[in-house]
Amino acid sequence: AQSVTQLDSQVPVFEEAPVELRCNYSSSVSVYLFWYVQYPNQGLQLLLKYLSGSTLVESINGFEAEFNKSQTSFHLRKPSVHISDTAEYFCAVSGSAGGSYIPTFGRGTSLIVHP
Amino acid sequence: DAGVTQSPTHLIKTRGQQVTLRCSPKSGHDTVSWYQQALGQGPQFIFQYYEEEERQRGNFPDRFSGHQFPNYSSELNVNALLLGDSALYLCASSQDRASYEQYFGPGTRLTVT
Repeated sequence: AQSVTQLDSQVPVFEEAPVELRCNYSSSVSVYLFWYVQYPNQGLQLLLKYLSGSTLVESINGFEAEFNKSQTSFHLRKPSVHISDTAEYFCAVSGSAGGSYIPTFGRGTSLIVHP
Repeated sequence: DAGVTQSPTHLIKTRGQQVTLRCSPKSGHDTVSWYQQALGQGPQFIFQYYEEEERQRGNFPDRFSGHQFPNYSSELNVNALLLGDSALYLCASSQDRASYEQYFGPGTRLTVT
């Protein structure tokens, strides 16, 4: 069984400040890890993913996440946030073998960027 | 290239009624998964369809059923609606059932009164 814990339900931050959204997971098998973003009244969009290789993964809009196997974490970071980054962020984990790639999602973290 | 589309956008039903939600996958995708997202929660997996058959199922009662058509579109049916079924229902498609990458639609907001 897999589970995801997003430690913060809400993270308020001022524009141009750095931010970190925390995610911890538990799994008995090798995993793929994902961050999805959900803007108001929209579906989920894949922000970035870790499959294998380099433990640091980046998105095209400045977010990055680092896979830490020993701490079973996949925290999301951005050095300078923008108003448009205000959204709900979901961390997800899936097994990486055995044919079952159905992701398990965390409860989400609401990032609120203030001007 | 149209992404995943869902209809209707919003729906209001009464307890005990039945509802059907529809989903068209992204072009080139043959696998459809359905999720329930309650307010303030992450999406919960309901089931996945591939080759017109239910291949995997999450922890949802038999009141939740589905169908996939030869053109890969899919329906989610919920019978005997409960107040607790009020949620955003998301459809996601993938290139095949072994693909980790899913593309989500905008969802259908179901309100049960």
